[in-house]
Amino acid sequence: SYVLTQPPSVSVAPGQTAKLTCGGNNIGSKNVHWYQQKPGQAPVLVVSADRDRPSGIPERFSGSKSGNTATLTISRVEAGDEADYYCQVWDDISDLVFGTGTKVTVL
Amino acid sequence: QITLKESGPTLVKPTQTLTLTCTFSGFSLRNGGVGVGWIRQPPGKALEWLAFIYWDDDERYNPSLKHRVTITKDTSKNQVVLTMTNMDPVDTATYYCAHQTVVLITFGPLESWGQGTLVTVSS
Repeated sequence: SYVLTQPPSVSVAPGQTAKLTCGGNNIGSKNVHWYQQKPGQAPVLVVSADRDRPSGIPERFSGSKSGNTATLTISRVEAGDEADYYCQVWDDISDLVFGTGTKVTVL
Repeated sequence: QITLKESGPTLVKPTQTLTLTCTFSGFSLRNGGVGVGWIRQPPGKALEWLAFIYWDDDERYNPSLKHRVTITKDTSKNQVVLTMTNMDPVDTATYYCAHQTVVLITFGPLESWGQGTLVTVSS
């Protein structure tokens, strides 16, 4: 089955930049979506199809992809960005696949 | 505006069957390119997808749970129902339903989610 690997945690100081990675075999051929989940809340889509931001998502959130890794970049990090972040793709064999999730801590 | 809301029991006993209903508005499963699915999240753990159903009656199941899960739709009521048999304490989780769009043959992101419902499995 297809696997997406994310680092368990990332720590960043306010105002700095956080880069969250999502690794998967041949991920370059797939659309990668990113979700933010704050404690006690449902996930929210923050980036779709590698780099598109849904309406209402701040420009500080951006997505990119290179090789076998997709990256969610959070610029000018704020305390309110503290959350779990999940990447997700659709695979021809495994169908929907979520990453393992990264917990972002704002120092 | 798309909204989804999960409903069902908050407590089930081991071996029982769980039935959850997702009631949605702002879209119709009669329309092409629309899907609704279920995702769960055990306390403190990652998201796990369970099943999706689409406007064209296509059904997709997580292979690890396929033998226990059934998804159905009632387009007249704007509802999608998840049934999971032989519940176990490890199935204790928050269960979410979500809306997905399909463009041509591309399955899109989960654009809208319900608030989730916590289901506890305990005797």
